[in-house]
Amino acid sequence: GENVEQHPSTLSVQEGDSAVIKCTYSDSASNYFPWYKQELGKGPQLIIDIRSNVGEKKDQRIAVTLNKTAKHFSLHITETQPEDSAVYFCAASDGNNRLAFGKGNQVVVIP
Amino acid sequence: DAGVTQSPTHLIKTRGQQVTLRCSPISGHKSVSWYQQVLGQGPQFIFQYYEKEERGRGNFPDRFSARQFPNYSSELNVNALLLGDSALYLCASSWGGDTGELFFGEGSRLTVL
Repeated sequence: GENVEQHPSTLSVQEGDSAVIKCTYSDSASNYFPWYKQELGKGPQLIIDIRSNVGEKKDQRIAVTLNKTAKHFSLHITETQPEDSAVYFCAASDGNNRLAFGKGNQVVVIP
Repeated sequence: DAGVTQSPTHLIKTRGQQVTLRCSPISGHKSVSWYQQVLGQGPQFIFQYYEKEERGRGNFPDRFSARQFPNYSSELNVNALLLGDSALYLCASSWGGDTGELFFGEGSRLTVL
């Protein structure tokens, strides 16, 4: 099955700086790559996603890039704010609504 | 509009007992999936149901079962509870098909003593 790995496990950034989280996947059939944000005591919230026919997608301060050849994708958060502090999960799917998640990255934005 | 709702939010059981968790999907969504999230890990896929039929099953023992009702709500049952079943159980809904866009509820926190 699909194996998704995330790096780094914890990331601390100064408020206003950028944060980048990288993920790799193993199954070349995967074609859908969402990112979820999970705050303490809550369920994961979809923040952005990308499909395999696109290399980059942006939504305000958040962007995701995909390199199918290298089988990795990244989340970029610019102008970080304290409310960006959370655990971020990347995931991959081959289109069957079954997501394989990474272990998560704890992002801490230091005011 | 209401999101995915799950009940109960917290529950405590002892080893060997059985538990039933409930989920109501977003209105109009026909697919429900269940995930187990152990503390400090990412969610792990358990089941997917679409139009009341099982569409997928993850690597979980037969003690785990689920079903989807005509109104698209769903139940997850776990029998003969083990300490290792302690986790956050997440329900996610989607329109169905292969969009891949899953919307999660807040989860049911199960503690097995």
